[in-house]
Amino acid sequence: GAVVSQHPSRVICKSGTSVKIECRSLDFQATTMFWYRQFPKQSLMLMATSNEGSKATYEQGVEKDKFLINHASLTLSTLTVTSAHPEDSSFYICSARDRRGPMNTEAFFGQGTRLTVV
Amino acid sequence: KQEVTQIPAALSVPEGENLVLNCSFTDSAIYNLQWFRQDPGKGLTSLLLIQSSQREQTSGRLNASLDKSSGRSTLYIAASQPGDSATYLCAVRFGSGGGADGLTFGKGTHLIIQP
Repeated sequence: GAVVSQHPSRVICKSGTSVKIECRSLDFQATTMFWYRQFPKQSLMLMATSNEGSKATYEQGVEKDKFLINHASLTLSTLTVTSAHPEDSSFYICSARDRRGPMNTEAFFGQGTRLTVV
Repeated sequence: KQEVTQIPAALSVPEGENLVLNCSFTDSAIYNLQWFRQDPGKGLTSLLLIQSSQREQTSGRLNASLDKSSGRSTLYIAASQPGDSATYLCAVRFGSGGGADGLTFGKGTHLIIQP
């Protein structure tokens, strides 16, 4: 299967600082990338979707100015949590899909990033 | 609103038992359904993917079924082992297969297999 690499796996930052999380597709071109967030004992919730060559589409209730998403290339998407607060502490995970050809069927997930804001 | 519900939320069984995890979804217009495994503090491991036109998929000791009309899927685990202990997530891709469709996840079933 296709491989998606997410970095860092864990990060601790001070309140008010910004944190960047990277998501890379290693062996395919990710025309669509997704960012999810998971709070303790909750399900993964889709935050935003980015498509090649266009701005990210944010789900209702997700602040686009706080969670900056840049689909920089066909193999890289970044999520920047700006002015982080303790309530932003969560597990963030990305997935990537190549909507061309047979790989449209499945989205492949990174390993996730555990963000702790102190 | 499109929702995915998993029952039970937690399950603890002795090693060797066969078990069934349940998933229900509110909208029958799905593109596919996927079962994942998540270990504590880790990412997701895809177990089985069922397309909307399929009724079931099998991989080793795992079998997943799909009944779109009733909005249900089950994950059957045969001859459970302690290594199967994890949280199992059901995720639905609603819609008609547009490339921008994300997944809607259930809250998961936390499974413990007792040695």
